[in-house]
Amino acid sequence: ELKVEQNPLFLSMQEGKNYTIYCNYSTTSDRLYWYRQDPGKSLESLFVLLSNGAVKQEGRLMASLDTKARLSTLHITAAVHDLSATYFCAAITQGGSEKLVFGKGTKLTVNP
Amino acid sequence: EPEVTQTPSHQVTQMGQEVILRCVPISNHLYFYWYRQILGQKVEFLVSFYNNEISEKSEIFDDQFSVERPDGSNFTLKIRSTKLEDSAMYFCASSVTQGALIYEQYFGPGTRLTVT
Repeated sequence: ELKVEQNPLFLSMQEGKNYTIYCNYSTTSDRLYWYRQDPGKSLESLFVLLSNGAVKQEGRLMASLDTKARLSTLHITAAVHDLSATYFCAAITQGGSEKLVFGKGTKLTVNP
Repeated sequence: EPEVTQTPSHQVTQMGQEVILRCVPISNHLYFYWYRQILGQKVEFLVSFYNNEISEKSEIFDDQFSVERPDGSNFTLKIRSTKLEDSAMYFCASSVTQGALIYEQYFGPGTRLTVT
C-alpha cells in the first residue's frame, strides 16, 4: 500500500530564508505532485514530477524527484510572506484509477 | 481556462439526512474523483469513476456513499444518511488520459459539509 510521509508538518521561517520540505513515499510511483492550499480553499497544482532526476522551478519554489530514494523535495528560496500556505505532496498509485495518495501537509508560515 | 466547479459551496445538514454534492468536471476529461479533507487533516481518496462505473473506492466509501453521472456533465456524490464524522470538505477532481500524454488531476473549489 502506498504511503506518503511529509516533514516537517509545521514550518515557521523568516522572510528571505531558504528551507526544504521533504516527501517520502513507500512504493513505486509514476508521478509525484505538489499542491498548495490556502486556508479554506482548494488545491492548487504547483508541480508534476514524472521521472527520476526531474527538477522543476516556479518563482521561489523548486521541486525535485529521486525515484530511487522515493524522495521528493520542495525547496523554498528567499521566502516571502505570500508563500504562507499548506503544501501537500501526493503520489500516484500505479495501475487502476491512479488515485492520489497525499501526505499530511506542511503548514508554512513566513514571518516578516 | 476550463475548471472544475462544485455546488453548493457549503451545505449544512442534520445527522441522518441525505445530501447530494454536485460537480461539473472539465468537459473533455474522462476520469472523475471524489476526495475529502476533514478540517486540519490530509486529503483522502474516496472514489474514482471512469466509463460510467466506479473504478476504485476506499474503505471510507461504504454503503452510505454512492456516485452517479446522471447526464453528460454532472458528477454527484450522495451520502444517504449523514453522520457527524462526515463533516469535511469534499473535493471533486477530474483528469484526462490520451495515450502517453501527461495528465494531472484538477480539483474543484470544494463543498464544505457540516453535519449537526
